[in-house]
Amino acid sequence: EVQLVQSGAEVKEPGESLKISCKGSGYKFTSYYIAWVRQMAGKGLEWMGVIYPGGSDIKYSPSFQGQVTFSVDRSTSTAYLQWSSLKVSDTAVYFCARTSMVRDIVYWFDAWGQGTLVTVSS
Amino acid sequence: DVVMTQSPDSLAVSLGERATINCKSSQSVLNNSNNKNSLAWYQQKPGQPPKLLIYWASTRESGVPDRFSGSGSGTDFTLTISSLQAQDVAVYYCQQYHDFPPGFGQGTKVEIK
Repeated sequence: EVQLVQSGAEVKEPGESLKISCKGSGYKFTSYYIAWVRQMAGKGLEWMGVIYPGGSDIKYSPSFQGQVTFSVDRSTSTAYLQWSSLKVSDTAVYFCARTSMVRDIVYWFDAWGQGTLVTVSS
Repeated sequence: DVVMTQSPDSLAVSLGERATINCKSSQSVLNNSNNKNSLAWYQQKPGQPPKLLIYWASTRESGVPDRFSGSGSGTDFTLTISSLQAQDVAVYYCQQYHDFPPGFGQGTKVEIK
C-alpha cells in the first residue's frame, strides 16, 4: 500500500525557521515526484512545487519561488519542505502528494499525506 | 496560467439523486499527443487530504465507485455523482495538468438536502 506519512503539527513564531517531512512507503520512492500543496483555512488547494527524489529536478510554483525550499533524503525515503523565516501568512495545512512529471507537465496526484498544520503566531 | 473555474460553489442534493459539478478551464486542456483531456477530479472530506477520483477527464481511479463519472472535453468538464450517498458529502476539486503550473478549481461543496 502506497503511503505518505507527514510530520506532526507545528506552532511557530514569525521569523522562525521550520522543516516538515513526508515519508513515503509501499512504492519505489525514487521513481515518482513529490509535490507540496498548501491549503489555508477554509480555502482551496494551491500547488507549491515538486521535487524528484530520483534525481536533482525541482520545480517551484512562481507564487512560492524563493519562499520555501524542497529537499529529499533518499536513504530514508523522506521529502522535506522548509522555511527560513516564517510569516503569519504561512499558517496553513501543507500536504505532500505523489505525482509524475514529464517535460514540465505535472500530472495528477494519486496519493496524499495526511497533512501538516503549521500555525505561525506571535 | 490556466485558470480553472468551478460551478456552483455549493450544492445540496437529496440522497439517491444526481449531483453535477462543472469545471471550466480558461484554455483547452486537450492533449494533442494522445487526444485526451488533462483534467483530474478530487474529493476532500472534512479533516482529510484530497482523494483522486478521476484523471484524463473520465478515467476512474482504482477503487472509486462507479457512481462517480467524469465527462467533457476542451474547456468544459463535468463530474457527476449518479446517486448521492451520505459518504459523498465533501468538497470536490478539478485540476488541470495540461500546462505548467498545474492548477485547481476553487472547489464545490456538496451537501445533503
